[in-house]
Amino acid sequence: NAGVMQNPRHLVRRRGQEARLRCSPMKGHSHVYWYRQLPEEGLKFMVYLQKENIIDESGMPKERFSAEFPKEGPSILRIQQVVRGDSAAYFCASSIGQAHYEQYFGPGTRLTVT
Amino acid sequence: GESVGLHLPTLSVQEGDNSIINCAYSNSASDYFIWYKQESGKGPQFIIDIRSNMDKRQGQRVTVLLNKTVKHLSLQIAATQPGDSAVYFCAEVAGGGADGLTFGKGTHLIIQP
Repeated sequence: NAGVMQNPRHLVRRRGQEARLRCSPMKGHSHVYWYRQLPEEGLKFMVYLQKENIIDESGMPKERFSAEFPKEGPSILRIQQVVRGDSAAYFCASSIGQAHYEQYFGPGTRLTVT
Repeated sequence: GESVGLHLPTLSVQEGDNSIINCAYSNSASDYFIWYKQESGKGPQFIIDIRSNMDKRQGQRVTVLLNKTVKHLSLQIAATQPGDSAVYFCAEVAGGGADGLTFGKGTHLIIQP
């Protein structure tokens, strides 16, 4: 049973480019969470999605960031016009239901903006 | 400011000794707490959890203590091993339907041979 998968593991973008981060939840999980981790910091909640619905995006920056979890395929975190401050590790977690505390984390995508 | 914080950023212990990692939280509405272990280059890994109606819970080599009076959480690791080297985070789940976990900054546990 594969765990949460994220790709790419490392992503380098120049300022102004777009970054797309993908997350495939564990088999049978229909709830996805995105977190951002700055160096030497804890993880910060960004957004919680179920299939085709954004449930809670209270942690998402108001501009340039968007997330989706389509009926088919992985969840996508999209960052438009990246800036250096977007450089961080982005982690995805999934849960089997609305038991939001039973979250299993993926290995993360490390985004570097040059 | 942070809702959940750690007392010490780095903890160094001798292999075989017991480790105690502390965490303070400020949200009295939090009803569930979790400890995660994060190794370098990896995602957080669940260690143990505790509900707010409990004050102690034991797992394999780990014990979590919750003191709601002073809003303090601790993780005790018995007979520390080299594989325990990692950053440890406490996380809380607030009551009232909040969906995301709130993490503290983490404590880096270093095991001395």
